[in-house]
Amino acid sequence: AQSVAQPEDQVNVAEGNPLTVKCTYSVSGNPYLFWYVQYPNRGLQFLLKYITGDNLVKGSYGFEAEFNKSQTSFHLKKPSALVSDSALYFCAVRDWGGANNLFFGTGTRLTVIP
Amino acid sequence: GAVVSQHPSWVICKSGTSVKIECRSLDFQATTMFWYRQFPKQSLMLMATSNEGSKATYEQGVEKDKFLINHASLTLSTLTVTSAHPEDSSFYICSARGLAGITGELFFGEGSRLTVL
Repeated sequence: AQSVAQPEDQVNVAEGNPLTVKCTYSVSGNPYLFWYVQYPNRGLQFLLKYITGDNLVKGSYGFEAEFNKSQTSFHLKKPSALVSDSALYFCAVRDWGGANNLFFGTGTRLTVIP
Repeated sequence: GAVVSQHPSWVICKSGTSVKIECRSLDFQATTMFWYRQFPKQSLMLMATSNEGSKATYEQGVEKDKFLINHASLTLSTLTVTSAHPEDSSFYICSARGLAGITGELFFGEGSRLTVL
């Protein structure tokens, strides 16, 4: 069975500082991993994905994520946080059962403090 | 990227009435769409998988007679909450898979907030 864990419900970071949002995964097959961001009362927006290839994946809005197979992690990072990055972030893994839906973590609320 | 449009964004209805939410893929064909429910400060809960031209596949615990899903075309899926009650109040989100198949990301609608009085 597939699962993802986001150990932090809330992450606070000062504007301009680097940010990390953590995600660990458990999969029985190839790990197809995704990050999405959700702003209040909005749907989810795709940030980036790891399918294969380079472990460092670059995505939208300056975000990147590092796939670490030995630690089964896929942490989201950004070198310099912006206040506008404040949102809810979801890590997801491809669910290989059924129609190959995505299985989402519980989400991490990022607050960037001016 | 691909665009998924969800309508309405907000709906308020009286208890006992039915509400229909539409999910459209605007610039691509989606043979499969997904419907989620999201409670405050919680993750998305998959309700059902909507397949064009066939019956939806519901997740365990989701009442298929309560949440009617129709996927009549490759660009439109609808979710009808029948005989809505206050406990059905929630944020409902749809998604559709992009053209890249199983390695592709899902594209999400903007969500529909349902409030049942």
